[in-house]
Amino acid sequence: QKEVEQNSGPLSVPEGAIASLNCTYSDRGSQSFFWYRQYSGKSPELIMSIYSNGDKEDGRFTAQLNKASQYVSLLIRDSQPSDSATYLCAVNIKGYGNKLVFGAGTILRVKS
Amino acid sequence: KAGVTQTPRYLIKTRGQQVTLSCSPISGHRSVSWYQQTPGQGLQFLFEYFSETQRNKGNFPGRFSGRQFSNSRSEMNVSTLELGDSALYLCASSLWINTGELFFGEGSRLTVL
Repeated sequence: QKEVEQNSGPLSVPEGAIASLNCTYSDRGSQSFFWYRQYSGKSPELIMSIYSNGDKEDGRFTAQLNKASQYVSLLIRDSQPSDSATYLCAVNIKGYGNKLVFGAGTILRVKS
Repeated sequence: KAGVTQTPRYLIKTRGQQVTLSCSPISGHRSVSWYQQTPGQGLQFLFEYFSETQRNKGNFPGRFSGRQFSNSRSEMNVSTLELGDSALYLCASSLWINTGELFFGEGSRLTVL
């Protein structure tokens, strides 16, 4: 079992719709959770971080964390073609500094 | 504010050779991490340096090594290259240790022939 699992996709949504990306993790020592976006041929960039159970909103993005279910999600509202990218879920385990364990990523395609 | 700078951007080596990759973090950032990205394995953690000390290490053989200098710049070295070392090597800087908020450079694309 992989430590961080994501559906590889591609997830296709029409422009203006809500895109829902999901991630599960196996290590209960995980303390911090991140979503990185990676455009084709580019390096990952941080878009959201979440540290406690519940929702965290930033513009069109909402991250959701449920530690009991070991589940993290990212909602993108009003999806735009420019949101088309690979979304990487990453988990930081307590005591391991900035070592992040990344999922394989979900490819999102927003169709105009 | 300048981002993370990695050099060289592209390089081609042959099996058995060694390679050194360089990373200059964002000014003021003291933690530098290295990751390997391949289509098959995704992003995998190599190691992290903070205050010139290796703080964490991933599951890579001893052929992979690194160091950090007093100005926070970092280098990683891969000796006795193998075909499977072909990958994008990404350097990421962070203001401090334990933040998880990484700023990635554009990467060094290594091809081993």
